[in-house]
Amino acid sequence: AQSVSQHNHHVILSEAASLELGCNYSYGGTVNLFWYVQYPGQHLQLLLKYFSGDPLVKGIKGFEAEFIKSKFSFNLRKPSVQWSDTAEYFCAVNDNSGYALNFGKGTSLLVTP
Amino acid sequence: DSGVTQTPKHLITATGQRVTLRCSPRSGDLSVYWYQQSLDQGLQFLIQYYNGEERAKGNILERFSAQQFPDLHSELNLSSLELGDSALYFCASSVAGNYEQYFGPGTRLTVT
Repeated sequence: AQSVSQHNHHVILSEAASLELGCNYSYGGTVNLFWYVQYPGQHLQLLLKYFSGDPLVKGIKGFEAEFIKSKFSFNLRKPSVQWSDTAEYFCAVNDNSGYALNFGKGTSLLVTP
Repeated sequence: DSGVTQTPKHLITATGQRVTLRCSPRSGDLSVYWYQQSLDQGLQFLIQYYNGEERAKGNILERFSAQQFPDLHSELNLSSLELGDSALYFCASSVAGNYEQYFGPGTRLTVT
């Protein structure tokens, strides 16, 4: 069955630390990959997306992600986090056979001052 | 602000009741998706409509139904509500199938 795994459920970092959140998927064929962020009490916002082309994708707020096809991974990175990055981060995948998003369980990030 | 609107923001109702959640997609978007977010199940896809027609179904219970109207707004109907239906219900829209989805602010449903 198709699935999306996010390895870290809770991450605590100090401000200015580097961030990497893991995401792996099990899908056959061509996939589209997304990272969404949900700030406390708010809706999901699209951070970045990958459809094709350069596997290193840059998104908003200084985030980037790298698609590694051989590892079925799409990890999210940020070189230096800020307190305002405290949020829940969701990796999502769909494919061209159906466009509904399949979400990982999410990673809760707490950035401490 | 994503441009997707949902009403109401909060809904408290009793078991056995029926409610309707409403979603207006971004201007120009033809596709509407409904998702349920709960603590135990995470974010789960319920159903998708494209230009008025049902396109895909996910983990949607038979007690739940949806439709998309000619003006492209969508309604999710939840009936015979149970305590376990308490969740955040998100609507998302996209231009078409293979494009990024933009999410609305959600409707928090509490069933007592």
